Amino acid sequence: EAQVTQNPRYLITVTGKKLTVTCSQNMNHEYMSWYRQDPGLGLRQIYYSMNVEVTDKGDVPEGYKVSRKEKRNFPLILESPSPNQTSLYFCASSLSAGGVYEQYFGPGTRLTVT
Amino acid sequence: QKEVEQDPGPLSVPEGAIVSLNCTYSNSAFQYFMWYRQYSRKGPELLMYTYSSGNKEDGRFTAQVDKSSKYISLFIRDSQPSDSATYLCAMNQFYFGTGTSLTVIP
Repeated sequence: EAQVTQNPRYLITVTGKKLTVTCSQNMNHEYMSWYRQDPGLGLRQIYYSMNVEVTDKGDVPEGYKVSRKEKRNFPLILESPSPNQTSLYFCASSLSAGGVYEQYFGPGTRLTVT
Repeated sequence: QKEVEQDPGPLSVPEGAIVSLNCTYSNSAFQYFMWYRQYSRKGPELLMYTYSSGNKEDGRFTAQVDKSSKYISLFIRDSQPSDSATYLCAMNQFYFGTGTSLTVIP
């Protein structure tokens, strides 16, 4: 089954404790990205990757890191989480980034930072 | 001004009603228009996709694009409780509206 998986689905942590949210897709997609979704603000892009080893900042990159060492995986790293990073996070992938392609979203990771 | 504007609702309608969801946009370069549906505790999934102006129908759903007015719509006929979800418009793959929450009451 074609899908994007994320882990963990739910995470409660404390300020400053480094964490990683994993993302994997099995569709051989070139393009992957991370979004956060907050009430009233919608989906905001954090980082994206056009291909392996190619990543770039989205609209809200502060406090986040990513890496793309393999085509299928695109982990999101919070080196020192803060309460304002409490949010619902989605990983997404698409065949390419030409404006035409459907994005496939993961199931989401609900993060709470206390 | 945001590039894509969408009324967040919430919208509550009785079962069987016709629902109209709308987005406006400011960038005349947008050519690809998508509607995603997001159920509670799930990721968004593509519902409809249209290119340029015109209408596209898929069962009870109709997507409409008016490029001259920079306005897109999603119509749901004979709405069902299973249509209760948040609907997000998207332009050119990456420019999302904030989503409209819809509840269809049995």
